[in-house]
Amino acid sequence: AQTVTQSQPEMSVQEAETVTLSCTYDTSENNYYLFWYKQPPSRQMILVIRQEAYKQQNATENRFSVNFQKAAKSFSLKISDSQLGDTAMYFCAFSGAGSYQLTFGKGTKLSVIP
Amino acid sequence: NAGVTQTPKFQVLKTGQSMTLQCAQDMNHEYMSWYRQDPGMGLRLIHYSVGAGITDQGEVPNGYNVSRSTTEDFPLRLLSAAPSQTSVYFCASMRRGASYNEQFFGPGTRLTVL
Repeated sequence: AQTVTQSQPEMSVQEAETVTLSCTYDTSENNYYLFWYKQPPSRQMILVIRQEAYKQQNATENRFSVNFQKAAKSFSLKISDSQLGDTAMYFCAFSGAGSYQLTFGKGTKLSVIP
Repeated sequence: NAGVTQTPKFQVLKTGQSMTLQCAQDMNHEYMSWYRQDPGMGLRLIHYSVGAGITDQGEVPNGYNVSRSTTEDFPLRLLSAAPSQTSVYFCASMRRGASYNEQFFGPGTRLTVL
């Protein structure tokens, strides 16, 4: 079974600064997908960024980028130029390539301070 | 195109009552699933379905029933609600063969069992 670990229950960052959220995972699969979801107070689950395990290049989406270290089974999220609207819970998630199931970490609560 | 819809948004039950959480999608997705979100626990898979007439258990299935008579609908039934089922429930759907195994989430149902 896969496990996803987010070791930072809460973090804070000053507006316009950069913050990195950590995620590690454990799997015996060779091909899989990794995701970061944002959950604002509205509780809607919003996909922020995704990564395929066999792609070496780290994914980027505007101010969001990941540092994917396959050998270390690490998948951190970097948020640049943090904005007040980035305040939310962030969940790291894993899906095997042949699976329909998502395995989530416990989440990191990010607060952006004006 | 409404995406994934869930009703109700909020519900309060008494211990022992039964109810059905509704989930519908209009994207003709084969795969649908139910997750529950508890504080500090992330999202955990309750049940899933890979197509009409086919369902299977996830990580935390006890106390819940599902059926999938149509591609569009995937209701979650609580036969005898317990306080331990107080949670936020999310329905998700995915097209078979989707790139990145991307899943679409509904807005969630907050359930309180007294």
